Amino acid sequence: GENVEQHPSTLSVQEGDSAVIKCTYSDSASNYFPWYKQELGKGPQLIIDIRSNVGEKKDQRIAVTLNKTAKHFSLHITETQPEDSAVYFCAASKGSGYALNFGKGTSLLVT
Amino acid sequence: KAGVTQTPRYLIKTRGQQVTLSCSPISGHRSVSWYQQTPGQGLQFLFEYFSETQRNKGNFPGRFSGRQFSNSRSEMNVSTLELGDSALYLCASSLMDSGYGYTFGSGTRLTVV
Repeated sequence: GENVEQHPSTLSVQEGDSAVIKCTYSDSASNYFPWYKQELGKGPQLIIDIRSNVGEKKDQRIAVTLNKTAKHFSLHITETQPEDSAVYFCAASKGSGYALNFGKGTSLLVT
Repeated sequence: KAGVTQTPRYLIKTRGQQVTLSCSPISGHRSVSWYQQTPGQGLQFLFEYFSETQRNKGNFPGRFSGRQFSNSRSEMNVSTLELGDSALYLCASSLMDSGYGYTFGSGTRLTVV
């Protein structure tokens, strides 16, 4: 089955700096790559997603890039703020009816 | 607009008992998925339902089962509970039959003692 690896597991940045989280996937049939943010005591919240026909997508301070050939995708957060502190999960899926296969998560701390 | 509602929020059960968890998706959402979240294994897929049909099932034992009703509400059941079933159980719903844009609820925290 699909294997999604996520790095780093923990990331500490200063307020205002950028943060980058990287994921790789194994199944070339995966075509949907969402990113979720999970705060303590809450469920994961979808923050941005990208489909395989797009190489990059941006939403204000958050951007995601996808390299289908290398089977990796990354989350970029610019001008980080303390409220960005949370656990971030990447996922890969083959779409309708298929599971979201999640990475193990990155704990981001902005100080 | 109400989000995905999961009940109860917290549950404590004894080994060997069974438990039923409930999920009400966002109004109009027809696809519902369930995930188990633990510190060791992370987020693992349990099932996916669309229009009352289970279309996909994760690698969990037969003690884990689920169903979806005609109003898209879903339940999952775990029988003969084991200590290792202690986890946060998350439900997610999506508007379309696309597999995209799942919104998660806050989960049910199950503790088996």
